Amino acid sequence: NAGVTQTPKFQVLKTGQSMTLQCAQDMNHNSMYWYRQDPGMGLRLIYYSASEGTTDKGEVPNGYNVSRLNKREFSLRLESAAPSQTSVYFCASTSFYEQYFGPGTRLTVT
Amino acid sequence: GDSVTQMEGPVTLSEEAFLTINCTYTATGYPSLFWYVQYPGEGLQLLLKATKADDKGSNKGFEATYRKETTSFHLEKGSVQVSDSAVYFCALSPLMNRDDKIIFGKGTRLHILP
Repeated sequence: NAGVTQTPKFQVLKTGQSMTLQCAQDMNHNSMYWYRQDPGMGLRLIYYSASEGTTDKGEVPNGYNVSRLNKREFSLRLESAAPSQTSVYFCASTSFYEQYFGPGTRLTVT
Repeated sequence: GDSVTQMEGPVTLSEEAFLTINCTYTATGYPSLFWYVQYPGEGLQLLLKATKADDKGSNKGFEATYRKETTSFHLEKGSVQVSDSAVYFCALSPLMNRDDKIIFGKGTRLHILP
């Protein structure tokens, strides 16, 4: 039982490049989330998906898009990366109000 | 809207000291309350939870009691260890939570000195 997995673990992008962060969970959870964590800022919700086929904006959605590919997978896309998107990105899924987090993707945009 | 406020860090203690990290919340009705812990280089993981007033959550020597009258959920441990060094997040799940969202505090970094 792997829980929540994320790929890649580390990524360096140049300004303007695009990339997709992948997330998958094997716990059959309906709800999935993408957060970013910046030093001293705690967690900020980017997008979430309450169920397969639905997505909604969180606190800081600008510059990101998401896809809930199926019940297991929820990807986050940066279409044109900016230095302000340098952060650690966490995916999570929820069951009975408990969130399970992936190990994170550390993204640097130069 | 619903929110969580926790004490700012970093908190630095010596091994075997008593720990308190304060957390208060604002919410409608009776939310569920949580403490999550994040060890260096890892994602958050649930440490303990309480789902109704006067409940006490406990795990790994940590405890927190859901106090409705003071809207608080303070984290305590009687004797901390170096391995407890981490960032601790207080969180709540609103009463009417259609989207299963969790609201997190900003986190408190804890350093334990040997």
